[in-house]
Amino acid sequence: GESVGLHLPTLSVQEGDNSIINCAYSNSASDYFIWYKQESGKGPQFIIDIRSNMDKRQGQRVTVLLNKTVKHLSLQIAATQPGDSAVYFCAEKGYGGSQGNLIFGKGTKLSVKP
Amino acid sequence: DTGVSQDPRHKITKRGQNVTFRCDPISEHNRLYWYRQTLGQGPEFLTYFQNEAQLEKSRLLSDRFSAERPKGSFSTLEIQRTEQGDSAMYLCASSFRGSGELFFGEGSRLTVL
Repeated sequence: GESVGLHLPTLSVQEGDNSIINCAYSNSASDYFIWYKQESGKGPQFIIDIRSNMDKRQGQRVTVLLNKTVKHLSLQIAATQPGDSAVYFCAEKGYGGSQGNLIFGKGTKLSVKP
Repeated sequence: DTGVSQDPRHKITKRGQNVTFRCDPISEHNRLYWYRQTLGQGPEFLTYFQNEAQLEKSRLLSDRFSAERPKGSFSTLEIQRTEQGDSAMYLCASSFRGSGELFFGEGSRLTVL
């Protein structure tokens, strides 16, 4: 079978630069999206969320953009720091009857070079 | 520490044995979730509770898996007759009802030999 662990999308940036992590979702009916950060050996940690009635939402050093036309989500991290190194997952709220769970994407590994 | 705690953090077992994981959620949270995560993948939903009621179960949750939350506080996830394919990180999370902000524990890593 495929060794998916070897094919995790990776983004490498220089400390201080801005990072953009992208995510595509499949269900146009999804109405709520969340970004999580997972550091090695830890559980995922909530970063920021956005509802489908918004195009953009800003947090501290992070911005999430939602393009419903092309079903695309992005996370922008300003002035990336070494502590931002982690795997980032986008997640969407379950649709149809699955309203209680989040559906996670495969993740992007962000590496920050000092 | 008022976060989500999971026990044990690591479990190594032989194929065919039963294992049980425990999760203590954040006390004010009424929803509790179990997810499974394998290397290089995002967490996959298994099941969730609202208070003591198990409201949803994924098709991933075979009949060898059972989860309980008897008093609406801590939860247990039991895997019977473990198989090598059960090797994964089992993550527990809790939240307020309706919130997408799940607070995850650090997980219980299962290795089935």
